[in-house]
Amino acid sequence: AQKVTQAQTEISVVEKEDVTLDCVYETRDTTYYLFWYKQPPSGELVFLIRRNSFDEQNEISGRYSWNFQKSTSSFNFTITASQVVDSAVYFCALASGGYQKVTFGTGTKLQVIP
Amino acid sequence: DVKVTQSSRYLVKRTGEKVFLECVQDMDHENMFWYRQDPGLGLRLIYFSYDVKMKEKGDIPEGYSVSREKKERFSLILESASTNQTSMYLCASRDRGWTEAFFGQGTRLTVV
Repeated sequence: AQKVTQAQTEISVVEKEDVTLDCVYETRDTTYYLFWYKQPPSGELVFLIRRNSFDEQNEISGRYSWNFQKSTSSFNFTITASQVVDSAVYFCALASGGYQKVTFGTGTKLQVIP
Repeated sequence: DVKVTQSSRYLVKRTGEKVFLECVQDMDHENMFWYRQDPGLGLRLIYFSYDVKMKEKGDIPEGYSVSREKKERFSLILESASTNQTSMYLCASRDRGWTEAFFGQGTRLTVV
């Protein structure tokens, strides 16, 4: 069985603050992938990043960065200098198993206040 | 660009009706998925298909069935709609291998 936990249901920050969204996962597979998606108010999920289980190197893309730690089964997402356009629901997801089934967390709603 | 298109953005159906939700992708992807999204529950997998005519149950298949007669099309069927199936339904497709999924715009279904 696989599971993704996003304990933060909603977060509010003031514009320009940094914010970290937490993601903890469970899987028995040694090969798996982790993803982050953004769902803006329009509704369509947008892919942000993919990470495989053999690559723990952190990644930075502009104001976004991701911290993958296998020791704690976590894949956290940080937005630096948040902007109003970052307001959305963010989902962490895990793909593993023979059919590469994708399991999503419950999402974290981020509100950036101007 | 990959495009995943769901046939309806909004749908209102009566209890007991048979409901078809259609999804078409234009990138020749092997895998297709149906999720439902509910507040506080995130996205939950209903069914997925890894090839034409092949399907696997997800986490919440009860009350649903699927059909994949052609590679580009994946249909979700509610045999007898009930009010607890009122939800946002999301279709996704993904290529073989460990690739990201691409999502449709969603169908908000209301069963009255």
